[in-house]
Amino acid sequence: EVQLAESGGGLVQPGGSLRLSCVASGFTFSSYTMHWVRQAPGKGLEYVSAISSNGGSTFYANSVKGRFTVSRDNSKNTVYLQVGSLRAEDMAMFYCGSGNGGFLEYWGQGTLVAVSS
Amino acid sequence: EIVLTQSPGTLSLSPGERATLSCRASQSVSSSSLAWYQQKPGQAPRLLIYGASSRATGIPDRFSGSGSGTDFTLTISRLEPEDFAVYHCQQYGSSPRTFGQGTKVEIK
Repeated sequence: EVQLAESGGGLVQPGGSLRLSCVASGFTFSSYTMHWVRQAPGKGLEYVSAISSNGGSTFYANSVKGRFTVSRDNSKNTVYLQVGSLRAEDMAMFYCGSGNGGFLEYWGQGTLVAVSS
Repeated sequence: EIVLTQSPGTLSLSPGERATLSCRASQSVSSSSLAWYQQKPGQAPRLLIYGASSRATGIPDRFSGSGSGTDFTLTISRLEPEDFAVYHCQQYGSSPRTFGQGTKVEIK
């Protein structure tokens, strides 16, 4: 059974940073592109970032470019999203997902990032 | 950037009825690279359809997707109680990948 488990969210002040983690199991992690999607409270989904199976290629939405960094450790079946210079508008549930086709075949349950002073 | 517009915003139907959800793209979506997801309150989204019309693993055949170019449709042939949820479309044919704003299917 495919499982994705995010962690690392929490309350942070504006300008602060967090490292989100997503641990995968039930599939060959090193063969799959991993994605991050966020959802602000009561809003729709926003595609944030992606990293290729070997980590050699990354993508960032314009809204987070230069502030967020995606990485992965295939030996630990884990993908990370370092989120920095956080703003009020970054407050959201962050989901990781797996999928090679550009869509998210499997999703984790999410980790909540709250930004407030 | 391809903008996806979903309509209607809310669809009020009864169990057993047919639901037709629309996703319209501002530009042609290459290779029918369009997916549909279902999201229930407090849960993560779940993949229903990819490639505009291919059902994901374990998805009942009452869910079907169609369309190409700029116009795509998700049809639920007969609504079951568990189908009342929010539905999102996503295009992945062009960068950046984008989502629609969602359609809520609620019980009438």
